[in-house]
Amino acid sequence: QITLKESGPTLVKPTQTLTLTCTFSGFSLSTSGVGVGWIRQPPGKALEWLALIYWDDDKRYSPSLKSRLTITKDTSKNQVVLTMTNMDPVDTATYYCAHRALTGLYWYFDLWGRGTLVTVSS
Amino acid sequence: DIQMTQSPSSLSASVGDRVTITCRASQSISSYLNWYQQKPGKAPKLLIYAASSLQSGVPSRFSGSGSGTDFSLTISSLQPEDFATYFCQQSYSTPYTFGQGTNLEIK
Repeated sequence: QITLKESGPTLVKPTQTLTLTCTFSGFSLSTSGVGVGWIRQPPGKALEWLALIYWDDDKRYSPSLKSRLTITKDTSKNQVVLTMTNMDPVDTATYYCAHRALTGLYWYFDLWGRGTLVTVSS
Repeated sequence: DIQMTQSPSSLSASVGDRVTITCRASQSISSYLNWYQQKPGKAPKLLIYAASSLQSGVPSRFSGSGSGTDFSLTISSLQPEDFATYFCQQSYSTPYTFGQGTNLEIK
């Protein structure tokens, strides 16, 4: 059974750096084809994909946020960490991590964590 | 970036109705299209991947179709638990954009 859980601060101040951890179980991030992504959702708004890390440590970032994001993995701890620098109130959102599954040529986020609400305010 | 446009943005329907939500990509994405359902305060749930493949455990009243730029999600007979927000997402190229969502409400 695959589970994912996000953890991190619920409140950060503007200009601070946000560090979120996704702790997962039920799969290994060293298995070919597997990935973990981060997606966020401002209150009442749409989903926004942020970053994705693959089993081979390849990484993809949203171009609009690439300068502020870093995604890393610790396979031994079954964790993926996302850092976002220079936080702003517009970054207030629920942040989700999700398991990337692959079927043939097609991939999708098949399982998600519950999400963690991060508020940016002084 | 590939823009994903869903229509309608909101929809009122009754239990038992057949409803269709559409998603249009700003350029061809072949069949690299996923559909998710989200209920208030909950994480999204995968319904359909690769445009028309039903995720395991998802009821067969959900179906997806389309390729290229035009896609649709159909619920054949609405059940009370289907009232939620639905998002499409392209997995063709970065950034892996989502549609703005369709809010399906009870009439």
